[in-house]
Amino acid sequence: GAGVSQTPSNKVTEKGKYVELRCDPISGHTALYWYRQSLGQGPEFLIYFQGTGAADDSGLPNDRFFAVRPEGSVSTLKIQRTERGDSAVYLCASSRGLAETQYFGPGTRLLVL
Amino acid sequence: QKEVEQNSGPLSVPEGAIASLNCTYSDRGSQSFFWYRQYSGKSPELIMSIYSNGDKEDGRFTAQLNKASQYVSLLIRDSQPSDSATYLCAVDNAGNMLTFGGGTRLMVKP
Repeated sequence: GAGVSQTPSNKVTEKGKYVELRCDPISGHTALYWYRQSLGQGPEFLIYFQGTGAADDSGLPNDRFFAVRPEGSVSTLKIQRTERGDSAVYLCASSRGLAETQYFGPGTRLLVL
Repeated sequence: QKEVEQNSGPLSVPEGAIASLNCTYSDRGSQSFFWYRQYSGKSPELIMSIYSNGDKEDGRFTAQLNKASQYVSLLIRDSQPSDSATYLCAVDNAGNMLTFGGGTRLMVKP
């Protein structure tokens, strides 16, 4: 694929449930980023990976949020015990390397009822 | 806290006019600056990047950077209805994550 892909495109869940959001970066891109965008606001940084390791997870709001990238390509953002306030669009971006242009995927729209 | 500020708009301009979008940032150490366009319900799409003071032109778009004033702007010449979108200013402070402004909604009226 030519661009960043994310699945699912939409996810509806109930408060307290566990969800996983997947991101498949552009082939060859070593850096991968997760952002969260609430309605009417700009994206907010959550975490980024350089290769397999989380280089900066300072944007994760609390310990219910966790992300992995075990083989340095696909990444999964995991949210435990979801809350209504977690409802947002979760965007993934990738770049060739650090300080390179970031390209965004279509996002996953998460709705917690 | 590092901040990026934009007027939320909407900024309304007639077709064919110049649209001027502005952004200020708080971190003087910021190195890279980006303008993304976001259509409703879609993901951000990069339209311009700028790294040094002055102007950078690409087609109908011109980005302007003034690091002393901590100010970035985007000019869109000959605005078209298809330019109607939210424009996000983003700043890269340390070569990793982007800090975004809240976006300015642009409406180009035929």
